[in-house]
Amino acid sequence: EIVMTQSPATLSVSPGERAILSCRASQSVGSNLAWYQQKPGQAPSLLIYGASTRAIGIPGRFSGSGSGTEFTLTISSLQSEDFAVYFCQQYNNWPPWTFGQGTKVEIK
Amino acid sequence: QVQLVQSGAEVKKPGSSVKVSCKASKGTFSTYAFNWVRQAPGQGLEWMGVVIPILSTTNYTQRLQGRVTITADESTSTIYLDMTSLRSEDTAVYYCAREFTNSGAFDIWGQGTMVTVSS
Repeated sequence: EIVMTQSPATLSVSPGERAILSCRASQSVGSNLAWYQQKPGQAPSLLIYGASTRAIGIPGRFSGSGSGTEFTLTISSLQSEDFAVYFCQQYNNWPPWTFGQGTKVEIK
Repeated sequence: QVQLVQSGAEVKKPGSSVKVSCKASKGTFSTYAFNWVRQAPGQGLEWMGVVIPILSTTNYTQRLQGRVTITADESTSTIYLDMTSLRSEDTAVYYCAREFTNSGAFDIWGQGTMVTVSS
């Protein structure tokens, strides 16, 4: 099973600042990496797939990069609606598909 | 836009079973892969298994093998999660999710079903 490790667990950022979230895989997953955003009481929603492709309707301030074992999600200028928990997920080797433990982006 | 609408919250006793449903509102159903993912209170996401209706194929995480069955009813565009021998640690929100172009990334999620296992 591929283990996904996200860092940091919590990121405190002021509105308008940039946030950089990291995700590491225990073995290569190529570019088969997705990022999700989850707000309290809601289901996760897809932000990025293929490590760097934004899903439909996702604003340009969200960008993903990386391949192999190291990945990054960057939010260029945090808006109030971006404060949430973010999960990465590998879909290269299954079963099972595996998720990181999440990074909470909170208001500084 | 396809929506996935899940059944309501459940409260179950330890050792009992639960069946959660997930209905696709419209659009193509059979050719997609549908997954179940759960989230214990305050915790991360755990993939449970997948069904591909057109192939009549399922696959499950080894951790839950034997306790989980996922089925699909093409006539009603509904996916089901059956879970037996429930334990307190199965208390979680259960989500169904459709795979984006059957890639493994999940583009459409249900609203979630809270299952509480308590004596």
